[in-house]
Amino acid sequence: AQSVTQLDSHVSVSEGTPVLLRCNYSSSYSPSLFWYVQHPNKGLQLLLKYTSAATLVKGINGFEAEFKKSETSFHLTKPSAHMSDAAEYFCVVSDTDSWGKLQFGAGTQVVVTP
Amino acid sequence: DGGITQSPKYLFRKEGQNVTLSCEQNLNHDAMYWYRQDPGQGLRLIYYSQIVNDFQKGDIAEGYSVSREKKESFPLTVTSAQKNPTAFYLCASTPRQETNYGYTFGSGTRLTVV
Repeated sequence: AQSVTQLDSHVSVSEGTPVLLRCNYSSSYSPSLFWYVQHPNKGLQLLLKYTSAATLVKGINGFEAEFKKSETSFHLTKPSAHMSDAAEYFCVVSDTDSWGKLQFGAGTQVVVTP
Repeated sequence: DGGITQSPKYLFRKEGQNVTLSCEQNLNHDAMYWYRQDPGQGLRLIYYSQIVNDFQKGDIAEGYSVSREKKESFPLTVTSAQKNPTAFYLCASTPRQETNYGYTFGSGTRLTVV
């Protein structure tokens, strides 16, 4: 069975400061991991994905995430927050045996203050 | 441009009424999914379909029904048996047997019971 825990339900950062969104997962097999972003009343957009290649994954809009198997973590970071980064972020896991069925974390709401 | 179209964007349902949410994709994806999103709970899988004329129950299928008569279309019916249907509904798709592809999402339908 697979599961995802996002350790913070809300994160508030100042514009121009780093962003860190924490995610831990459990998976019986070699997982694929994803981060999605959702702006209000919109669908989800893929930020980046890890699929057993490089452990440091770069995504869109300056985000990156590092897969750490020993810590079962896949934290999302960005060096400098922008006002447009205010949104909800979801960490997602997919086991190789679950055929496209994704398990979503509960989400982290990011607030960016001027 | 390829993508997923969900309609309507907003839908109001009276008590005891069935309503159908539309989901159409032109990505030539084999698999399609319906998720329900409630505040603070992430996304929960309602139904999914891997090929035409076949679909499977997800984690919260009670009170919902689907059909998959065409590859491009995967409509969701919210029946009167669903006691708490007010939520944001998201449709997604992915190529078959590519668990590391991630999902492409539609922009969602917000259903409200009045």
